[in-house]
Amino acid sequence: GENVEQHPSTLSVQEGDSAVIKCTYSDSASNYFPWYKQELGKRPQLIIDIRSNVGEKKDQRIAVTLNKTAKHFSLHITETQPEDSAVYFCAASIGTGGFKTIFGAGTRLFVKA
Amino acid sequence: NAGVTQTPKFQVLKTGQSMTLQCAQDMNHNSMYWYRQDPGMGLRLIYYSASEGTTDKGEVPNGYNVSRLNKREFSLRLESAAPSQTSVYFCASNLAGGGTDTQYFGPGTRLTVL
Repeated sequence: GENVEQHPSTLSVQEGDSAVIKCTYSDSASNYFPWYKQELGKRPQLIIDIRSNVGEKKDQRIAVTLNKTAKHFSLHITETQPEDSAVYFCAASIGTGGFKTIFGAGTRLFVKA
Repeated sequence: NAGVTQTPKFQVLKTGQSMTLQCAQDMNHNSMYWYRQDPGMGLRLIYYSASEGTTDKGEVPNGYNVSRLNKREFSLRLESAAPSQTSVYFCASNLAGGGTDTQYFGPGTRLTVL
């Protein structure tokens, strides 16, 4: 079955710096890769996603890149702010609807003011 | 539009007790999911319902049962709770069937089994 590995497990950056979180997946049939942000005690919420027919997607300060050959995808946050502090999860799923979405273990991001 | 709602928010059970976690969505989504979240392990899929009338096992289905009561509601039942089922449980839904694959999560149920 699909396996998603996420690194690092914890990341601490200074406000204004960039943060990069990396994930690898095992099943080459995976075709949808969402990223979720979870603040303490809250529900996970989608922040950006990418499909397998696209190599990069950007939304303001966040971007995601996908390397299908290497089965890697990464989240990039630029100009980090204290409110970016949260746990970030990558995920991979197969098929329309992502019926079986496999999540990474999460990265706890601390942005120091 | 409440999105995805879950009840209860918190629950404490003794080993062997049973309970049902309720989930409802008002977004007319076809697919619904139950996940558990444990520290350092991300979200793991317990069961899902691709559409009304169907249910399938996820990664960690043992000890759980589900019911897709109608298009809006998807419940998770613990027949005989065990301490290993102490976790935070999230329900989620998405449109599926050619629409966006974004999953929308409920607020979660924090369950402790003593």
